[in-house]
Amino acid sequence: QKEVEQDPGPLSVPEGAIVSLNCTYSNSAFQYFMWYRQYSRKGPELLMYTYSSGNKEDGRFTAQVDKSSKYISLFIRDSQPSDSATYLCALLGVIQGAQKLVFGQGTRLTINP
Amino acid sequence: NAGVMQNPRHLVRRRGQEARLRCSPMKGHSHVYWYRQLPEEGLKFMVYLQKENIIDESGMPKERFSAEFPKEGPSILRIQQVVRGDSAAYFCASSPRRADPTGFGSGTRLTVV
Repeated sequence: QKEVEQDPGPLSVPEGAIVSLNCTYSNSAFQYFMWYRQYSRKGPELLMYTYSSGNKEDGRFTAQVDKSSKYISLFIRDSQPSDSATYLCALLGVIQGAQKLVFGQGTRLTINP
Repeated sequence: NAGVMQNPRHLVRRRGQEARLRCSPMKGHSHVYWYRQLPEEGLKFMVYLQKENIIDESGMPKERFSAEFPKEGPSILRIQQVVRGDSAAYFCASSPRRADPTGFGSGTRLTVV
C-alpha cells in the first residue's frame, strides 16, 4: 500500500467552478500536511501548510485535514485559468526515527475559460 | 532575493556517461534536499544533506548515484554510467534548518539517449 494516494486526474473544469483535490494516507505518524502547486516545467511551490484537523483558508484556497479518516483536501473557489497546474499533496512525519516528507502522485488540473 | 538555483535546466547524456547536476540553495539555507520526478509521478525523495554532511540518503539508489554539499559551492548530484531509466526531472529544495523543504528550484531535466 502506498503511503499517500492521490488521484492523478487529469481533472478539467470550467472557469469559476469549485475544485476539490484529495489525498488519503495510511500512516498516522504524518502530522504536517502541505499542498504544492507545480506549473509545467517548473518546480513545486508551497501553497498551503497545515497541522491540525479542520480547515485553513487562504484567499480562494482552503485546506482541509481529517486526521481520523486520514484524508486531506484542497478546495479552490472561483477557479481561474491561471490555476491550471499539477497539485501535489505532501505529508511530513517521523517514520522509523527519521523525518520524512512524502509526496502524492499529483493531480493535473485544467481550468477551461 | 534569489531562490533555489539549479543548473543546467536541461541535460542530455548518452548511456554510460556521467551526469552532474548542481544546486545552489537559497541564501542562508544550509539544508538541501534532492528529489526525482518521473513523468506523471510525484516527487520521490533521494537525499538530504547539510553542509559537508549527508544526513539521510535512504532514497538514493545504492549504485551509480552520489551527492555532496561542500563547505563552499553548490550541492552536486552525480549519476555515473547513466541509463535510460535515469531520465527524469531532478529537483532540489532547501531550508534554513532541518524542516520540510519549502523552496524548490526549477529542476534539471535529464534525458539519457
